[in-house]
Amino acid sequence: AQRVTQPEKLLSVFKGAPVELKCNYSYSGSPELFWYVQYSRQRLQLLLRHISRESIKGFTADLNKGETSFHLKKPFAQEEDSAMYYCAEGAGGGNKLTFGTGTQLKVEL
Amino acid sequence: NAGVTQTPKFQVLKTGQSMTLQCAQDMNHNSMYWYRQDPGMGLRLIYYSASEGTTDKGEVPNGYNVSRLNKREFSLRLESAAPSQTSVYFCASSETTGGVQTQYFGPGTRLLVL
Repeated sequence: AQRVTQPEKLLSVFKGAPVELKCNYSYSGSPELFWYVQYSRQRLQLLLRHISRESIKGFTADLNKGETSFHLKKPFAQEEDSAMYYCAEGAGGGNKLTFGTGTQLKVEL
Repeated sequence: NAGVTQTPKFQVLKTGQSMTLQCAQDMNHNSMYWYRQDPGMGLRLIYYSASEGTTDKGEVPNGYNVSRLNKREFSLRLESAAPSQTSVYFCASSETTGGVQTQYFGPGTRLLVL
């Protein structure tokens, strides 16, 4: 079964510090990988997906097949980045996603 | 567009009671999903529907039933609620563009089973 691991339940950083949210996946083929974000009192929404190779709100994520990782990074954290972040994997072009357990990011002033 | 809507927003049930959580989307998406969100467990898929008229079990289907009433609506039913079903329930729908899907989530329903 697919498994997505986010080892940190809570990550606390100071404003302006670099951020790295870790995600490891288990699918051995060519996975579809995503980061979803849930801000306080808002619904879960897509942040970025690996296939687009995009930078959203200053966040980037690189797929490392050798390490089966898809870590989310931002060079300088902002207070508005405080949220719950979920890594998700879709396999084989199917409709289902497997979500990790999430990491709560807290950016302190 | 309202996107994905869910009703009710909050519900308290007694053990053994039944209820149906409603979900609708106005984006003309084929696929719809029900998840539950629990602390430390992330989002777990309960059931999904790849298209109108089809439903399939997800990771945690026990104690739930679903109905894909039409393309817009996908309901989740608890026939006999248990305290273990206390959770936040999210409905989602998805579109696939260029072979990659994007899921759109509803605001969630908080369910407390006493």
